Amino acid sequence: AQTVTQSQPEMSVQEAETVTLSCTYDTSESDYYLFWYKQPPSRQMILVIRQEAYKQQNATENRFSVNFQKAAKSFSLKISDSQLGDAAMYFCACSLMEYGNKLVFGAGTILRVKS
Amino acid sequence: EAGVAQSPRYKIIEKRQSVAFWCNPISGHATLYWYQQILGQGPKLLIQFQNNGVVDDSQLPKDRFSAERLKGVDSTLKIQPAKLEDSAVYLCASSLGFGTGIDTQYFGPGTRLTVL
Repeated sequence: AQTVTQSQPEMSVQEAETVTLSCTYDTSESDYYLFWYKQPPSRQMILVIRQEAYKQQNATENRFSVNFQKAAKSFSLKISDSQLGDAAMYFCACSLMEYGNKLVFGAGTILRVKS
Repeated sequence: EAGVAQSPRYKIIEKRQSVAFWCNPISGHATLYWYQQILGQGPKLLIQFQNNGVVDDSQLPKDRFSAERLKGVDSTLKIQPAKLEDSAVYLCASSLGFGTGIDTQYFGPGTRLTVL
């Protein structure tokens, strides 16, 4: 079975600065995908960034980038130039092709952005 | 492009009552998922459909929860009878389906259920 661990229940960052959210996962499968989702208080889960495990290059989406360390099973999210609108709960998730691509989520990290 | 639609947004019921949630996925998405998100936790998969067939319902409490996806489009999740521990947000998600490479799930706004 796969597990996803987010060890930081809460993080804070000053507006315009950079913050990194940690995520580790455990799976014995070789074919899997990794995701970061953002959930604001409105509850809508929004995709932030995704990474195919077979790709060595780290994914980037504007101010969001990941540091994917496959051997260490680590998948951290870096947010640059933080904005007030980035404040939300962030979930790391893993899906396995072998198991119908269902998502297994971590417990989440609350990100607070200070002005 | 319209996103995943869910209704109602909020529901309050007494324990032992029944409740139903509705989900309309993104047009053309073959796979539909129902997740349960208890306050302070990450979502947990309840059931996954591929078209109108069930792919995974291993974590669905089948003595009280049921779900269907008629005609491979809309889906309904029902709880009967509800328990206090069913209080949660119920999220519906959809994706294109198998054989499409990285199969990203897109989520609806969720239904917050409170059982008193």
